[in-house]
Amino acid sequence: QQQVKQSPQSLIVQKGGIPIINCAYENTAFDYFPWYQQFPGKGPALLIAIRPDVSEKKEGRFTISFNKSAKQFSLHIMDSQPGDSATYFCAASKEGGADGLTFGKGTHLIIQP
Amino acid sequence: EPEVTQTPSHQVTQMGQEVILRCVPISNHLYFYWYRQILGQKVEFLVSFYNNEISEKSEIFDDQFSVERPDGSNFTLKIRSTKLEDSAMYFCASRNLYEQYFGPGTRLTVT
Repeated sequence: QQQVKQSPQSLIVQKGGIPIINCAYENTAFDYFPWYQQFPGKGPALLIAIRPDVSEKKEGRFTISFNKSAKQFSLHIMDSQPGDSATYFCAASKEGGADGLTFGKGTHLIIQP
Repeated sequence: EPEVTQTPSHQVTQMGQEVILRCVPISNHLYFYWYRQILGQKVEFLVSFYNNEISEKSEIFDDQFSVERPDGSNFTLKIRSTKLEDSAMYFCASRNLYEQYFGPGTRLTVT
């Protein structure tokens, strides 16, 4: 099965720091890479997504960096706040058609005040 | 802002019983999905649905599972004979162009 490998499993950062979460994929047919944020007891909420025709995308304090040749992408959270404490999942899919998302195992992020 | 809704929020059932989980996708979306998440684990794709038929399904989605869009708004997941290992959060998602939006989930507990 085509996997998406995510690291680290957990991460603690001081308020204002820049947590970085990394993902690597295997399937070269993947061409859509979203990040989801999940709070306990809630559904995953779409944060930001990137396609392989660009190497970086920013939305507010969230930035995705994408390295097509290495088949890796990462999420950076600028000026992190305690309210950003959540579990973050990377995912990948083929954009066309009805393919489901393949998720990473998640990163439990804690931002300390 | 439109959102995906799911009912019930929590369902407790006995092993061997049938359950139906319900979802109302965002109204102008064309693609519908079910995922599950076992406690503390990653979200796993079960099935996608487009144009009133299953488009893709994972190996998890065996003969015990079925999906239906009985009318223009609801999308359901049926588990015919529940097992203990079916205990999980089940998420419905819908999509129009690219982004998939998830509902709040149904927690299924099989005893």
